[in-house]
Amino acid sequence: AQSVTQPDIHITVSEGASLELRCNYSYGATPYLFWYVQSPGQGLQLLLKYFSGDTLVQGIKGFEAEFKRSQSSFNLRKPSVHWSDAAEYFCAVGVRTAGNKLTFGGGTRVLVKP
Amino acid sequence: DTAVSQTPKYLVTQMGNDKSIKCEQNLGHDTMYWYKQDSKKFLKIMFSYNNKELIINETVPNRFSPKSPDKAHLNLHINSLELGDSAVYFCASSSRTSGMYEQYFGPGTRLTVT
Repeated sequence: AQSVTQPDIHITVSEGASLELRCNYSYGATPYLFWYVQSPGQGLQLLLKYFSGDTLVQGIKGFEAEFKRSQSSFNLRKPSVHWSDAAEYFCAVGVRTAGNKLTFGGGTRVLVKP
Repeated sequence: DTAVSQTPKYLVTQMGNDKSIKCEQNLGHDTMYWYKQDSKKFLKIMFSYNNKELIINETVPNRFSPKSPDKAHLNLHINSLELGDSAVYFCASSSRTSGMYEQYFGPGTRLTVT
């Protein structure tokens, strides 16, 4: 069965600084990988996705993520954080053969200092 | 236009009651899902329907019964509510036939059982 680990529960970053959120997955084949963001009291918004091809993917709001098969990782990055980026971030793996269900990591809460 | 909508947004009820949550998507997707987010923000798949057919049924008490009257709607009925059912329930949709594996989420329904 697939699993996703987000090692950092909380990250505090200063506004304007860079951000990197870690995600490691466990799955026997190449998975579909996603990053979602959840603002307080809101639903989940898709930031970006990786299915195949170029391992560096660009998403919305200036985010990017890099798929590294050798490390089973899909880390999310943003060069300069804005206060509005404060939210909970979830990494997820999708398995087409399992009805396309998503398995989520535990999430990383990002706090932005002024 | 709201892509995936859920009603109600908040639901407060007493133990033992029966309640329903409704979900509608106007994206033309053929697959819909229910996820549960617990108090620690952990997200877990509950059910999935593809063209009104149940394709994912995770280990969920049989007090929970999904119903899909058509592929744009997926409702969740919960019988004999328990304190542990308190959570945020998210509906999501995707399009398997078009190969779009990303899922789009509704705003969530916060269920509080007292």
